[in-house]
Amino acid sequence: GESVGLHLPTLSVQEGDNSIINCAYSNSASDYFIWYKQESGKGPQFIIDIRSNMDKRQGQRVTVLLNKTVKHLSLQIAATQPGDSAVYFCAYDTGRRALTFGSGTRLQVQP
Amino acid sequence: GAVVSQHPSRVICKSGTSVKIECRSLDFQATTMFWYRQFPKQSLMLMATSNEGSKATYEQGVEKDKFLINHASLTLSTLTVTSAHPEDSSFYICSAPRQGTGGSETQYFGPGTRLLVL
Repeated sequence: GESVGLHLPTLSVQEGDNSIINCAYSNSASDYFIWYKQESGKGPQFIIDIRSNMDKRQGQRVTVLLNKTVKHLSLQIAATQPGDSAVYFCAYDTGRRALTFGSGTRLQVQP
Repeated sequence: GAVVSQHPSRVICKSGTSVKIECRSLDFQATTMFWYRQFPKQSLMLMATSNEGSKATYEQGVEKDKFLINHASLTLSTLTVTSAHPEDSSFYICSAPRQGTGGSETQYFGPGTRLLVL
């Protein structure tokens, strides 16, 4: 069935280091991918998105990479800060505007 | 600032009672909104699609008679959990798509509603 999964449930990094969060998906028909950040007790917050006609997109301190050949998505956070500590979800559009979410990765930033 | 709001932020109710959760889009209209449910330490799972002016569409396994959805206006969707039971305790989150520049669309999520059924 359709699924979006993650390789690492928890990622611990030192403040100032770069973080890389990975995501594998199985639905090759999806053409839109999004990364969300969710802090405890809050709703998901949009970070960055990418369409399937691109393989890289950069934002402020964040970069999303898309490899359609192996159905892999990654989120890179530069100079990780304590405020980046949260759970990160990848998600993709099912084609009907609703989103399918991955299982999530918890990012812990050590001061 | 927030573009989607939810009310209440948390609610505790007795088993067998009904609970209504509101989702509002702020400063934009949304003919479609989505309701998700998130259990502790799990991901978000789509429950249903709320459509203004027509019936909601439910995901497989979600009981439409238990989770009543009403898209009353272009800025408001409500989810009513009827005859709530402890297993319905969860974090309920709505989202609404907002058009951005260049015709792109972004899903914005509400802050969520924590439901605890005793």
